[in-house]
Amino acid sequence: DTAVSQTPKYLVTQMGNDKSIKCEQNLGHDTMYWYKQDSKKFLKIMFSYNNKELIINETVPNRFSPKSPDKAHLNLHINSLELGDSAVYFCASSQSSHFEQYFGPGTRLTVT
Amino acid sequence: QKEVEQDPGPLSVPEGAIVSLNCTYSNSAFQYFMWYRQYSRKGPELLMYTYSSGNKEDGRFTAQVDKSSKYISLFIRDSQPSDSATYLCAMNAGGADGLTFGKGTHLIIQP
Repeated sequence: DTAVSQTPKYLVTQMGNDKSIKCEQNLGHDTMYWYKQDSKKFLKIMFSYNNKELIINETVPNRFSPKSPDKAHLNLHINSLELGDSAVYFCASSQSSHFEQYFGPGTRLTVT
Repeated sequence: QKEVEQDPGPLSVPEGAIVSLNCTYSNSAFQYFMWYRQYSRKGPELLMYTYSSGNKEDGRFTAQVDKSSKYISLFIRDSQPSDSATYLCAMNAGGADGLTFGKGTHLIIQP
């Protein structure tokens, strides 16, 4: 009964490929997020998605796109992968009436 | 100047000591403050959250916020080796805002 889950846990792929990471939350939250943790362990927001509103961090390349089939899922699609995309990607969720966010276990992406 | 400053450490203390972890921030819009614990190769785990200046206590943990000084702290009493981890402060202005994180402090509790 994991609150926020991500698949896959590890993803190794070659430059130029397109890949997706899935996120699901069973907390009944209405807002979901994607964060990137780089090699120096710094966590940075990429996207937040609340019902119909998508907020994008302006530094995120447009090769990255979040897709939400329903309130419990927010998947991350990455096109034309680059070496610099190698990082750990975390999904999180919150309820808009509260501010605390709960994180998933992360997906370690390695681009070769 | 970074929005959130946090000393990366490492901070090494003996078991049983009181640990003090701190962050400063520059953005006055930040109203909500969180502390996360992250073990190696795991996701951040929410420890404490607060939105008001003052202290909030939960077991061995106390979160302190001083909005006038833009300074937040986390105190850990009776520290245990299992508390060894990276501690991340995080904050936002509310709503669906993403969190702005500090770089994290690597804490080591020596048995």
